[in-house]
Amino acid sequence: SQTIHQWPATLVQPVGSPLSLECTVEGTSNPNLYWYRQAAGRGLQLLFYSVGIGQISSEVPQNLSASRPQDRQFILSSKKLLLSDSGFYLCAWTSTPLGTQYFGPGTRLTVL
Amino acid sequence: SQQGEEDPQALSIQEGENATMNCSYKTSINNLQWYRQNSGRGLVHLILIRSNEREKHSGRLRVTLDTSKKSSSLLITASRAADTASYFCATVLFMYSGGGADGLTFGKGTHLIIQP
Repeated sequence: SQTIHQWPATLVQPVGSPLSLECTVEGTSNPNLYWYRQAAGRGLQLLFYSVGIGQISSEVPQNLSASRPQDRQFILSSKKLLLSDSGFYLCAWTSTPLGTQYFGPGTRLTVL
Repeated sequence: SQQGEEDPQALSIQEGENATMNCSYKTSINNLQWYRQNSGRGLVHLILIRSNEREKHSGRLRVTLDTSKKSSSLLITASRAADTASYFCATVLFMYSGGGADGLTFGKGTHLIIQP
């Protein structure tokens, strides 16, 4: 069966520090991968998606970036965090963009 | 702007009662999906209904879709304390261009509380 992992589960970082969040998927090949951010009490905002290794598309301009170095690995990064980067970051995968998305457990990021 | 909007934003009912949540959207869709999120956790897929379907059931869940009104409803029957969570509708746009992001657009969710 397929599983999706995210780490770390929680992270507290100072403003201006770098960020690296990792997402890995097991049990499937060539998934479509997504990074979402959820602010407190809000819906999900799509940040990045990837349809294959090295293929990244961004939905919103920001100081975040994403990379997909391997088929089932998706990384969210920042060189310098802002206070506004705080939130709950969710990774998801799907076998088809029109179908069900399967979410990881999320990373709670607090920028102080 | 949000494609899907859930209503109400919050709902509190007694255990055993039925809970109904509504979702409205703006443009033509390929399908509409409902997800549940327990506090501080990832989202869990509940049900997918395609644009040519009007009603779908899964256990205690019943989803309806009215494409003429651009709306959907999620009914949870015989609610339980474990149903306490936020519920999100998400739409897949009809005009899929082949890119990976013409996918889900989420609303802000309905926070459901089941009182024991």
